[in-house]
Amino acid sequence: DADVTQTPRNRITKTGKRIMLECSQTKGHDRMYWYRQDPGLGLRLIYYSFDVKDINKGEISDGYSVSRQAQAKFSLSLESAIPNQTALYFCATSEPGQGKAYGYTFGSGTRLTVV
Amino acid sequence: DAKTTQPPSMDCAEGRAANLPCNHSTISGNEYVYWYRQIHSQGPQYIIHGLKNNETNEMASLIITEDRKSSTLILPHSTLRDTAVYYCIVRPRDVGDKIIFGKGTRLHILP
Repeated sequence: DADVTQTPRNRITKTGKRIMLECSQTKGHDRMYWYRQDPGLGLRLIYYSFDVKDINKGEISDGYSVSRQAQAKFSLSLESAIPNQTALYFCATSEPGQGKAYGYTFGSGTRLTVV
Repeated sequence: DAKTTQPPSMDCAEGRAANLPCNHSTISGNEYVYWYRQIHSQGPQYIIHGLKNNETNEMASLIITEDRKSSTLILPHSTLRDTAVYYCIVRPRDVGDKIIFGKGTRLHILP
């Protein structure tokens, strides 16, 4: 099984609908992140959480909310989806420390299309 | 804003060494340099990291200048499968692990 699992892998939704993207991890990492990727714009940080009781806004949090249900679960919600939220979304984890085991581990991504 | 600067794209002939530069002139003493790569639309994957010494692993080598203001990722014998976007990031040693990714370098390996 993948260390970081994102569901769904692909989703098409209509403008105005509420949608939740889910992320679960088996790394045992405390820190989790949601990134958005648009063509040519690299990865932009939406929200991040350093532990279950900690939630922080990233670069582009407007229009999004998150919930950290447990150490292993971090979900991203779009309360009222709009077409410019069409993008590839990545969840990631990390842990304090240096090296491959502590660095970012990314999920496979969720491709979201808002029509 | 990202704390690193990379060229937007590079080409390299298959079999040759690919040298990807990164500028991190504002790096502080407690920040490490990490490289990740993203193949097509998959999640980025760890390649290598370093603080001030040169590092080598099974995937690549990392050369960090003495003043630590820049580094170069070297893929010694590039293959078509190395075509990807390569991200150079700086990561604090301690807390505050909120990484801002730049746009990276899109590396094309040419047959």
